[in-house]
Amino acid sequence: EAGVAQSPRYKIIEKRQSVAFWCNPISGHATLYWYQQILGQGPKLLIQFQNNGVVDDSQLPKDRFSAERLKGVDSTLKIQPAKLEDSAVYLCASRIQGGTDTQYFGPGTRLTVL
Amino acid sequence: AQSVTQPDIHITVSEGASLELRCNYSYGATPYLFWYVQSPGQGLQLLLKYFSGDTLVQGIKGFEAEFKRSQSSFNLRKPSVHWSDAAEYFCAVVTGANNLFFGTGTRLTVIP
Repeated sequence: EAGVAQSPRYKIIEKRQSVAFWCNPISGHATLYWYQQILGQGPKLLIQFQNNGVVDDSQLPKDRFSAERLKGVDSTLKIQPAKLEDSAVYLCASRIQGGTDTQYFGPGTRLTVL
Repeated sequence: AQSVTQPDIHITVSEGASLELRCNYSYGATPYLFWYVQSPGQGLQLLLKYFSGDTLVQGIKGFEAEFKRSQSSFNLRKPSVHWSDAAEYFCAVVTGANNLFFGTGTRLTVIP
């Protein structure tokens, strides 16, 4: 079974530029998450999707971050415009449904904002 | 509100020595607890989880964890550490919204 795929693996941009990250969850997984992991910290949830609907985006900085999961499969996370403090690893995770099923994580995208 | 504390930022052990990584949680009801490991440049991999039942949980790679309600702890242990265990370890708790709340992590260094 293929795992959670993310691309790109690395991205370097200058502040005020835009950037987008892509995630393909495990086949059949209805729930998808985006996390932000700043160096030296644990992952912090940004947004949770159930199929193509948003379940929780309370921690998403909506003035600059946006995410979508149009067909209930792949998802894209966008930052526009980026700030220096957005430098982090962005992790995507998925699980079959909700509740306490195991979350499976992708390798992450490391973003550096200069 | 639920929270997880990992008091040790960095631990160094010798290969072959035993290991214990601490995790304390704060949660009103019976918590659902997880330990994940993150190797450099990798995503997080689930080591083990506790939902209910037996308080001693066995996981992958020879790890185990014990849930102690009286101490609000869920410490991770391994009797003999291998060099390949060097990584970052995260404890996490399921929140009321059925999401994961992670601790700040403990970085493990293994010396030969």
